[in-house]
Amino acid sequence: AQTVTQSQPEMSVQEAETVTLSCTYDTSESDYYLFWYKQPPSRQMILVIRQEAYKQQNATENRFSVNFQKAAKSFSLKISDSQLGDAAMYFCAYRSWVGATNKLIFGTGTLLAVQP
Amino acid sequence: DGGITQSPKYLFRKEGQNVTLSCEQNLNHDAMYWYRQDPGQGLRLIYYSQIVNDFQKGDIAEGYSVSREKKESFPLTVTSAQKNPTAFYLCASLRLRQGTLQNTGELFFGEGSRLTVL
Repeated sequence: AQTVTQSQPEMSVQEAETVTLSCTYDTSESDYYLFWYKQPPSRQMILVIRQEAYKQQNATENRFSVNFQKAAKSFSLKISDSQLGDAAMYFCAYRSWVGATNKLIFGTGTLLAVQP
Repeated sequence: DGGITQSPKYLFRKEGQNVTLSCEQNLNHDAMYWYRQDPGQGLRLIYYSQIVNDFQKGDIAEGYSVSREKKESFPLTVTSAQKNPTAFYLCASLRLRQGTLQNTGELFFGEGSRLTVL
C-alpha cells in the first residue's frame, strides 16, 4: 500500500523569505500524481500544485515550486517570497495514475507559520 | 458558480444518536469521497463512490454508512457504532474521463463539517 510521510509537523518562516516543506512517499507504481494542498484556518482545502510522475520537469505555480525526485520518492514544496497569507496547514498527497480506486492518500500535514 | 456544498457546518450530537452529513456537488463530477480529519493524522478516507448506486469502503469505514442515489449527492451517516465520531469531515469530488474510471485532475473539496459528540 502507498504511504505519504511529512516529517515536519510545524515550520516557521519570515515574511519574504523562502521555506521548503518535505514529503516522501512509498509506492511500487511507476505512474502516479503528487499534490500539495493548502488548508488555511477556514479549513477549505486548496490545491497548490500538482506533479505527474512521468514528467521530469518540476512543476511551478508562481511562488510555489516542487523538487520532485522520483528515484528518492521525494516531493518537497518550496515557497518563495513567503507572505502572511501562506500561513496554513500543508498536505502532501499521492494518487495512482491507473487503477479504479482514484483514492487520494494524504500525509499528516505541516503547519506553516509566517512571521511578519 | 460550481462547487461542493457541505452542511451543516457545525453539528452537535448526543452519544447514541445517528447523524447525517450532507454533500452536494454541481460540478458534474463522477466520483465523490468522504474524508475524516483529526489533529496530527491528516485526512483518512471513509467511503468513496465512482458511479451512482455504487460505493466502496475506505480505510476507516466502520461506524459510517453512505448512499449514492444521485450523481450530485453523497450523504454520510455517522452511526452510534462509531466509537469516536468527534472530528472534521471533508467531502470531495473528482471528474473522471468520460467512459472510463481512469484518473484525471485533482480532487475538489467542500468546506467541511465539524461534528462534536457531547
